[in-house]
Amino acid sequence: AQKVTQAQTEISVVEKEDVTLDCVYETRDTTYYLFWYKQPPSGELVFLIRRNSFDEQNEISGRYSWNFQKSTSSFNFTITASQVVDSAVYFCALSDTGRRALTFGSGTRLQVQP
Amino acid sequence: DAGVIQSPRHEVTEMGQEVTLRCKPISGHDYLFWYRQTMMRGLELLIYFNNNVPIDDSGMPEDRFSAKMPNASFSTLKIQPSEPRDSAVYFCASSPTVNTEAFFGQGTRLTVV
Repeated sequence: AQKVTQAQTEISVVEKEDVTLDCVYETRDTTYYLFWYKQPPSGELVFLIRRNSFDEQNEISGRYSWNFQKSTSSFNFTITASQVVDSAVYFCALSDTGRRALTFGSGTRLQVQP
Repeated sequence: DAGVIQSPRHEVTEMGQEVTLRCKPISGHDYLFWYRQTMMRGLELLIYFNNNVPIDDSGMPEDRFSAKMPNASFSTLKIQPSEPRDSAVYFCASSPTVNTEAFFGQGTRLTVV
């Protein structure tokens, strides 16, 4: 069975601080895919990144970076120099060959104070 | 492409009434998903289709819920009869293939009073 755990319910930081959002996943499959989505206050779900289980390279996109570690079943997301516009709920998700639809974690609400 | 289009954006209905939510996926996407978001249960998959065929409906809460996809460009989620506990935001999403990112619509906020 799939499971995604985001233990941090809410994080509050001050602008320009770095912040890391944790994601731990469970799956029996050796082939699986991990995702991060952003849900701003307006409510839509915005895709950020997808990684497959065979690619453990970390990725950086501007102020965003992702650290994928199979040894700890984690796929953490770091925002460098946070901005007020980063305030949102961030969801980690998983799909695998058993269940080909996304299973979401409970989300982490990030508040960036000016 | 305009993205995934859902209608209506907001729906307020009385308990016992039938509610129909509509979704137009992105053209060319073979997979369509219905999710429900609540404070208590988070984002949960209700059902998904591949090439208009339902593949996994294990998340559909009960017989009051039904979903159809009569063609590649349209899907409906129907609740009959509706109950206050059905109040939630319902998202439709589509993806081109399996295990790729899903693109979400704006959601339908349903309130059952």
